Amino acid sequence: GQSLEQPSEVTAVEGAIVQINCTYQTSGFYGLSWYQQHDGGAPTFLSYNALDGLEETGRFSSFLSRSDSYGYLLLQELQMKDSASYFCAVRDLIYNQGGKLIFGQGTELSVKP
Amino acid sequence: DAGVIQSPRHEVTEMGQEVTLRCKPISGHDYLFWYRQTMMRGLELLIYFNNNVPIDDSGMPEDRFSAKMPNASFSTLKIQPSEPRDSAVYFCASSLAGGPHEQFFGPGTRLTVL
Repeated sequence: GQSLEQPSEVTAVEGAIVQINCTYQTSGFYGLSWYQQHDGGAPTFLSYNALDGLEETGRFSSFLSRSDSYGYLLLQELQMKDSASYFCAVRDLIYNQGGKLIFGQGTELSVKP
Repeated sequence: DAGVIQSPRHEVTEMGQEVTLRCKPISGHDYLFWYRQTMMRGLELLIYFNNNVPIDDSGMPEDRFSAKMPNASFSTLKIQPSEPRDSAVYFCASSLAGGPHEQFFGPGTRLTVL
């Protein structure tokens, strides 16, 4: 089967650092993406890891360990506007050309003043 | 670019009626995806197209759902007949050929079936 696990909710204070973990089990694996979704909005792409290691994009970083089937999103210098849901998504590489993303259930991040 | 365009933004209908959702992907994008999002089931992929050809429709719940992509700039998702359990937000997304991991989502259609 295919499954992704991430915490349902995380709370942190403004200015802090928070890490959102994601573990996955899929029949095929091509890479791990992260998306942000504000309440009432659409998901927006944050980052993608196809290889092991850390990818940094401004205040956000994403990490992948393929051997551990594990990744995380690191948010630094938290701001109130970072309050949103964060989804990890596995790009599944099976017969269907690898275009399919399987999304986790999402982690709701609440940033407090 | 205007981004992915979806219409209508909101749809309220009665059980048994036909519902058609529309999507215009970003120009030049090769992949088009239809998702459904609910609190209970999260974000589910229904179907996706590559160069207007349906590649994987394994997420389509049942025969009441159908999707078409007659050309590179337009796709529809149809539900006939609609049921209350179809109430959800339906997103369309598109991506470039080399980047289905980076999808650009439309604003979504909030469907309520009474």
